[in-house]
Amino acid sequence: GESVGLHLPTLSVQEGDNSIINCAYSNSASDYFIWYKQESGKGPQFIIDIRSNMDKRQGQRVTVLLNKTVKHLSLQIAATQPGDSAVYFCAENYGGSQGNLIFGKGTKLSVKP
Amino acid sequence: DAGITQSPRHKVTETGTPVTLRCHQTENHRYMYWYRQDPGHGLRLIHYSYGVKDTDKGEVSDGYSVSRSKTEDFLLTLESATSSQTSVYFCAISEDSRSGPQHFGDGTRLSIL
Repeated sequence: GESVGLHLPTLSVQEGDNSIINCAYSNSASDYFIWYKQESGKGPQFIIDIRSNMDKRQGQRVTVLLNKTVKHLSLQIAATQPGDSAVYFCAENYGGSQGNLIFGKGTKLSVKP
Repeated sequence: DAGITQSPRHKVTETGTPVTLRCHQTENHRYMYWYRQDPGHGLRLIHYSYGVKDTDKGEVSDGYSVSRSKTEDFLLTLESATSSQTSVYFCAISEDSRSGPQHFGDGTRLSIL
């Protein structure tokens, strides 16, 4: 619930602007990455994923960029809407046992109308 | 939304009591996971299952046990609950552990007094 958003970096944007949320991942062997959105009181919701053989992938209003050189992932949201307000976090699949994921702590996106 | 149901959604109990949380899926996915989510931490894996009766420990498995007697059900048990296990617990499922996303339920908020 609300406690998910505590102590997280916050990005505040105006409705209609583009948002960029960044994530540094930890393992250079990771080969699959996912972005999730989590609204208050709900479970994480899958947004988009990307494999390490790609640099960019686009979805509906979202784009994920992968820079393997600096182990950096970003999520771009076009024309941000109030309904986009949530905590966003990335996850990496480092290829460990059963392909378990490592999750980032997240960024709270706040959209001002 | 992926067909994942967690029960109960909220529970308050006392230290030392046993607690069982249930995750039920209708997707027939092979992999199921239990996570806990706490402020200041990303999602942390407790246990996971890669098939009926096949389970393994995650990062924070101490004090927890799991069982999977049917594809659709994955149970998490706290044999003797402690206050440090107060958390929000999420179940996730995936079809492919290495190259597909995990999909999450809406969580169980557990308070141990």
